[in-house]
Amino acid sequence: DTAVSQTPKYLVTQMGNDKSIKCEQNLGHDTMYWYKQDSKKFLKIMFSYNNKELIINETVPNRFSPKSPDKAHLNLHINSLELGDSAVYFCASSQGRVSTEAFFGQGTRLTVV
Amino acid sequence: QQPVQSPQAVILREGEDAVINCSSSKALYSVHWYRQKHGEAPVFLMILLKGGEQKGHEKISASFNEKKQQSSLYLTASQLSYSGTYFCGTETTGNQFYFGTGTSLTVIP
Repeated sequence: DTAVSQTPKYLVTQMGNDKSIKCEQNLGHDTMYWYKQDSKKFLKIMFSYNNKELIINETVPNRFSPKSPDKAHLNLHINSLELGDSAVYFCASSQGRVSTEAFFGQGTRLTVV
Repeated sequence: QQPVQSPQAVILREGEDAVINCSSSKALYSVHWYRQKHGEAPVFLMILLKGGEQKGHEKISASFNEKKQQSSLYLTASQLSYSGTYFCGTETTGNQFYFGTGTSLTVIP
């Protein structure tokens, strides 16, 4: 059983479209995250979500919005996609806040054309 | 804000040792280390909490100097399976988390 799973694994879409990436974890963790990894491999935290408390990285455009229907799911919605949004997006989860081990999903490679 | 890692890249022969450094400009509560193989997700190696405790994971260990806001990852007797990009992750005392710039490590036979 995959601990943290994301779908889709690959996503190719045109500029201006709206898309979603789904994430589910079966570890019973109470904190979930979204990370963006750019072409230079820099990993940047976008959001963390813990017990309905959303912490947003202020550098993330408001076209990006996380949605959590329950503790095991944290989906990422992106509106009006831009070329610069092309990257690999990782979902992760951990038990508690940051000072614990995070488990990552396999990543979603988003390409905006 | 993003911690700086050095070196950016290193190539080792099997059996050689390496040290990867991570330096932050902010006061730290903890340092995490992850390894990411090409095309895969980052995988957790260890966490070091404030207090300077050194931790080990097989032949990989790390130290954390909270006064200098630095951490080092030590890889001894490297194996081919150690190849990948290593990231430190720093949690500041203000509860912010940043991954480092990454160090690409390649082990060759």
